[in-house]
Amino acid sequence: EIVMTQSPATLSVSPGERATLSCRASQSVSYNLAWYQQKPGQAPRLLIYGTSTRATGIPARFSGSGSGTEFTLTISSLQSEDFAIYYCQQYNNWPQYTFGQGTKLEIK
Amino acid sequence: EVQLVESGGGLVKPGGSLRLSCAASGFSFSTFGMNWVRQAPGKGLEWVSSITSSGSNKYYADSVKGRFTISRDNAKSSLYLQMDSLRAEDTAVFYCAREYCDTNNCYVGTLGYWGQGTRVTVSS
Repeated sequence: EIVMTQSPATLSVSPGERATLSCRASQSVSYNLAWYQQKPGQAPRLLIYGTSTRATGIPARFSGSGSGTEFTLTISSLQSEDFAIYYCQQYNNWPQYTFGQGTKLEIK
Repeated sequence: EVQLVESGGGLVKPGGSLRLSCAASGFSFSTFGMNWVRQAPGKGLEWVSSITSSGSNKYYADSVKGRFTISRDNAKSSLYLQMDSLRAEDTAVFYCAREYCDTNNCYVGTLGYWGQGTRVTVSS
């Protein structure tokens, strides 16, 4: 099983500032990495797939980068609606998807 | 518009059974593989099971193998998860999910469309 590790567990950032979330895979997943946002009581929402491609309707302030085992989600200027939990997911080892444990992005 | 609506959750005793359903609409259900993902209270996301578009291939997480059975009825645009020998650790919200497609391609492995989830509680 490919283990996905996200850091930090909690990130405190002020609105308008940049947030950088990290995700590490226990073995290479190539570019088959997605990011999801989840707000309380809601289903996850796909933000990024293929490491760096935004899903339809996702604002340009969200960007993804990386390859192999190291990945980053950057939110360039945080808006109030961006405070949520973010999960990375590898799908290189389809269908044995695995998710990271999540990073909670909270208001500083 | 893609819509996925889960049902069938509830309270069940350890060792009991439950059958979850996911009603799909807004897309050609029979041409897409489908997935179940769960989330225990206060915890992260865990892939549970996947099934190919025809239903001929089924895949399970080790944590549910031998206890859960995924199936589908393409005529009814419905996905199912039969859960037997339930344990306390199966307590979770269960989501059905489909791969994401943009205007040009679909991306197997992504989970672009999710239902609202159905809650399963296993407790005596």
